[in-house]
Amino acid sequence: ELKVEQNPLFLSMQEGKNYTIYCNYSTTSDRLYWYRQDPGKSLESLFVLLSNGAVKQEGRLMASLDTKARLSTLHITAAVHDLSATYFCAVGPDKLIFGTGTRLQVFP
Amino acid sequence: NAGVTQTPKFRVLKTGQSMTLLCAQDMNHEYMYWYRQDPGMGLRLIHYSVGEGTTAKGEVPDGYNVSRLKKQNFLLGLESAAPSQTSVYFCASSYTGERTQYFGPGTRLLVL
Repeated sequence: ELKVEQNPLFLSMQEGKNYTIYCNYSTTSDRLYWYRQDPGKSLESLFVLLSNGAVKQEGRLMASLDTKARLSTLHITAAVHDLSATYFCAVGPDKLIFGTGTRLQVFP
Repeated sequence: NAGVTQTPKFRVLKTGQSMTLLCAQDMNHEYMYWYRQDPGMGLRLIHYSVGEGTTAKGEVPDGYNVSRLKKQNFLLGLESAAPSQTSVYFCASSYTGERTQYFGPGTRLLVL
């Protein structure tokens, strides 16, 4: 059974700081997705990582995938308040299995 | 393009009542999905469809039925609602199983 674990579950960080969210999964997969969810809203796609060693960046967020270690990371650089949200990783394809999410709170 | 839309946005049911949630997409996607999201948990797949006329079970299918009579619509039915089905339901669609899934705004369901 495929399991997806994220840590930390909750992250409170100061503006300007860097941090990394980790996503571990239990079986072989070469597709990893990152989503963002604002409170009371739907999910917004951030990244799709398709192969080992894939790295994608958008603004202050950078995601990477190591399929051998079954690990994906979402790195936040110089956090700003607008990044406050819950971040989910999900492993696919087809039937996505989601992690429990990391709730990120950025304060001044 | 409206993307993925869901009807209704919010509903209150009494235990034992039935209802149907409607999902519609205008992106000509083949794949459609129904998820539920409970507090402190990620999304869990209920049922999905890989094309018109097809359906398949996901991770938590019990108590739900689905139909995909038209490519653009995916219906989720609750025949006899239970309090354990109180949740937020999200529909999603994708062009293929490997492509990004696009999510609807969600339906908040409360079963008393």
